[in-house]
Amino acid sequence: QVQLVESGGGVVQPGGSLRLSCAASGFTFTTYGMHWVRQAPGKGLEWVAFIRYGGRDKYYADSVKGRFTISRDNFKNTLYLQMNILRAEDTAVYYCAKVSHFYFDSWGQGTLVTVSS
Amino acid sequence: QTVVTQEPSFSVSPGGTVTLTCGLSSGSVSTGYFPSWYQQTPGQAPRTLIYSTNTRSSGVPDRFSGSILGNKAALTITGAQADDESNYYCVLYMDNGIWMFGGGTKLTVL
Repeated sequence: QVQLVESGGGVVQPGGSLRLSCAASGFTFTTYGMHWVRQAPGKGLEWVAFIRYGGRDKYYADSVKGRFTISRDNFKNTLYLQMNILRAEDTAVYYCAKVSHFYFDSWGQGTLVTVSS
Repeated sequence: QTVVTQEPSFSVSPGGTVTLTCGLSSGSVSTGYFPSWYQQTPGQAPRTLIYSTNTRSSGVPDRFSGSILGNKAALTITGAQADDESNYYCVLYMDNGIWMFGGGTKLTVL
């Protein structure tokens, strides 16, 4: 059974940094690409970033490019999102999701990031 | 900047049929965009319903179906039930590792 557990959310000041983690289990982590998706309070879902199974190829939404970095540790079965230069508009629940055949086939429960002074 | 479009809201009567659509601000949605659909109730993680245009995810009842209608992807719910009242999101694969969500449709069953 696939399990994705996000952690690392919290309150951070504008301009600050935060690193999110997503612990994966129940599947062969090294053979699947992974995503981060976020949802601002009361808003819709927004795709944030994608990393291929090997970890070398990474892709970002324009809204986070240059500020966020997606990475993975295939030995620890963990996905990361390093978020720098955070803005108020980055406030959201951040979900990690497993990719399969060009869709999101499993989701974590999310971790809340609040950017506020 | 291309935008994925969805109806902001829709309503359906219990037992009725409703079709939600997913389009592009410029161009047509085809199977090559691998459209997928997700259901989300407030405070919960999304649930995967449909992928690759018309394939139901495991455990999804067959009253949910996906298709291409004209130049849009479509999600049809046949025999709507009260617990279908949710937000529905489509996602398109835009190529080269980029995905885009639609703005979501709030479905009311009344």
